[in-house]
Amino acid sequence: DTAVSQTPKYLVTQMGNDKSIKCEQNLGHDTMYWYKQDSKKFLKIMFSYNNKELIINETVPNRFSPKSPDKAHLNLHINSLELGDSAVYFCASSPDRTSDTQYFGPGTRLTVL
Amino acid sequence: KQEVTQIPAALSVPEGENLVLNCSFTDSAIYNLQWFRQDPGKGLTSLLLIQSSQREQTSGRLNASLDKSSGRSTLYIAASQPGDSATYLCAVNSSASKIIFGSGTRLSIRP
Repeated sequence: DTAVSQTPKYLVTQMGNDKSIKCEQNLGHDTMYWYKQDSKKFLKIMFSYNNKELIINETVPNRFSPKSPDKAHLNLHINSLELGDSAVYFCASSPDRTSDTQYFGPGTRLTVL
Repeated sequence: KQEVTQIPAALSVPEGENLVLNCSFTDSAIYNLQWFRQDPGKGLTSLLLIQSSQREQTSGRLNASLDKSSGRSTLYIAASQPGDSATYLCAVNSSASKIIFGSGTRLSIRP
């Protein structure tokens, strides 16, 4: 019974394509996140949603668009993929916005050729 | 702007040794600090969460301390085992839902 799941685990695609990464949590949490981990292993927050509402939107290109159809799902859609988008993307969730542990998904390794 | 630094970037010790991983942050106004473990090709596992009002947290062989005034946290691992080999990440929550990660310490325990 996976807590935070992401699909796909690996994604290889050509520059210019549009792709989506899906995330689902079955923990009943209110808050979900997307992080990007670059080649130097730095993890940076991209977006955060609380009860389907966007609460954090870091400085990421507007080619990245999160979508939360319900509070258990936070999908990441990327338009016009670029080489620099290659990274591991992690989804996470937490019970609320401030003081709780975040639970991470297994990550999606995106490779843009 | 919060910055989180972890030193050393990599550490290799023989099995059985006690060791300390360090994390420093520049803004002491934090909600909490977490230590995570990341295994190659896998997601992150939360090890310990210290609230801003706490000084330390313990879980098994792990002990994490927090000194907000000096902007430091340490993760102490007792009696290290080869299975402890992983990358350890420190993350600071300094505003609602915004967590800043350090770059991690890659730990290798030699049998």
